[in-house]
Amino acid sequence: DQQVKQNSPSLSVQEGRISILNCDYTNSMFDYFLWYKKYPAEGPTFLISISSIKDKNEDGRFTVFLNKSAKHLSLHIVPSQPGDSAVYFCAAGPGTGGGADGLTFGKGTHLIIQP
Amino acid sequence: GAVVSQHPSWVICKSGTSVKIECRSLDFQATTMFWYRQFPKQSLMLMATSNEGSKATYEQGVEKDKFLINHASLTLSTLTVTSAHPEDSSFYICSANSGTTDTQYFGPGTRLTVL
Repeated sequence: DQQVKQNSPSLSVQEGRISILNCDYTNSMFDYFLWYKKYPAEGPTFLISISSIKDKNEDGRFTVFLNKSAKHLSLHIVPSQPGDSAVYFCAAGPGTGGGADGLTFGKGTHLIIQP
Repeated sequence: GAVVSQHPSWVICKSGTSVKIECRSLDFQATTMFWYRQFPKQSLMLMATSNEGSKATYEQGVEKDKFLINHASLTLSTLTVTSAHPEDSSFYICSANSGTTDTQYFGPGTRLTVL
């Protein structure tokens, strides 16, 4: 039973356009959400996070939106750059504030930025 | 900041032998460290949570006697795969948390191949 779902295994976007990656979750206990970027045979790199008390968090070209009632979040990258090509993982946790709990990951979306 | 290292980056061993993987937080003290496993084309799956000076908490289905975790200091956790078998071949990734936020920072991962 997947508690965090990324339904698009891959996404192709033209350079300069907006990339939108989606993530849905089922566990109501999740209160903290993160996006990681990952290359093959490397560990995930933290991009951006959001807690359930917010509906938007922005950091440079990356913005995460959270719709708690729909149990849905999305990552927007604008403008998309060739270096953004990677697998993006959505992750969620109970958000206890002290980082004591492990994260549940989606299966990832492979983002391909085309020149 | 928030750099996590792992050693070794890859290891090949014979079936029945034990392998130790180290995870270090280089520029912060990690209250909690986590061990994940990723099989090809799958998501990262949490194996266990370790807190410095106490026993690790294992996820359901993860054998604690097979995957020994030691969190000897606030900057070091080790995972020992005992009596490794080919089905243990996987990508093992650790993460660390400082205890001030819920964000986890990941190491680069260790590719284990058991022959």
